[in-house]
Amino acid sequence: GAGVSQSPRYKVAKRGQDVALRCDPISGHVSLFWYQQALGQGPEFLTYFQNEAQLDKSGLPSDRFFAERPEGSVSTLKIQRTQQEDSAVYLCASTLVPTSGSGEQFFGPGTRLTVL
Amino acid sequence: GENVEQHPSTLSVQEGDSAVIKCTYSDSASNYFPWYKQELGKRPQLIIDIRSNVGEKKDQRIAVTLNKTAKHFSLHITETQPEDSAVYFCAASRRGSTLGRLYFGRGTQLTVWP
Repeated sequence: GAGVSQSPRYKVAKRGQDVALRCDPISGHVSLFWYQQALGQGPEFLTYFQNEAQLDKSGLPSDRFFAERPEGSVSTLKIQRTQQEDSAVYLCASTLVPTSGSGEQFFGPGTRLTVL
Repeated sequence: GENVEQHPSTLSVQEGDSAVIKCTYSDSASNYFPWYKQELGKRPQLIIDIRSNVGEKKDQRIAVTLNKTAKHFSLHITETQPEDSAVYFCAASRRGSTLGRLYFGRGTQLTVWP
């Protein structure tokens, strides 16, 4: 079946603009994660959903970052008043089961955000 | 929180040679250690993983070893091929809790020369 998809694949924003990044997890996957990957670095955790509940948002770097998953499937990561340091690849991952069980995290292709 | 260190940052080998990448972690509660391969511009893909109740796991040319006492784990690739060239990330997490986030190392750029 289809894997995790993300849109847009590339986004260029002027500093101060708001952006919205979308993640479509694999159908039926309960858990959804957002990660931020700066150039030359490993992905860093941002936030985690189990169905529609946001159980962990400790990785969000500031209150300009907001994520939602209102119906427990598609998720949106919103960044308000973008800054140059927000430039990175934003990765979404999903797993079939809650993290209390086993389950590989399947990653999407990412959205490359460039803030000018 | 957890801290994962990964070495080396770059690794070049001749085709057919072996490659070893090492990682250490800090949180003794971590119990799941996946390895991801990421080709340029592509998504990370799981290549092998190991749980804390196992010391070694093999899958064809790839193996992972785990030393819980020393808190380190390693990826071994034998008979390397040019298509193995990519960035490899180790990660650690706690299964069995809602804290399933992955903590990644900084990655190893592996280049296999034909």
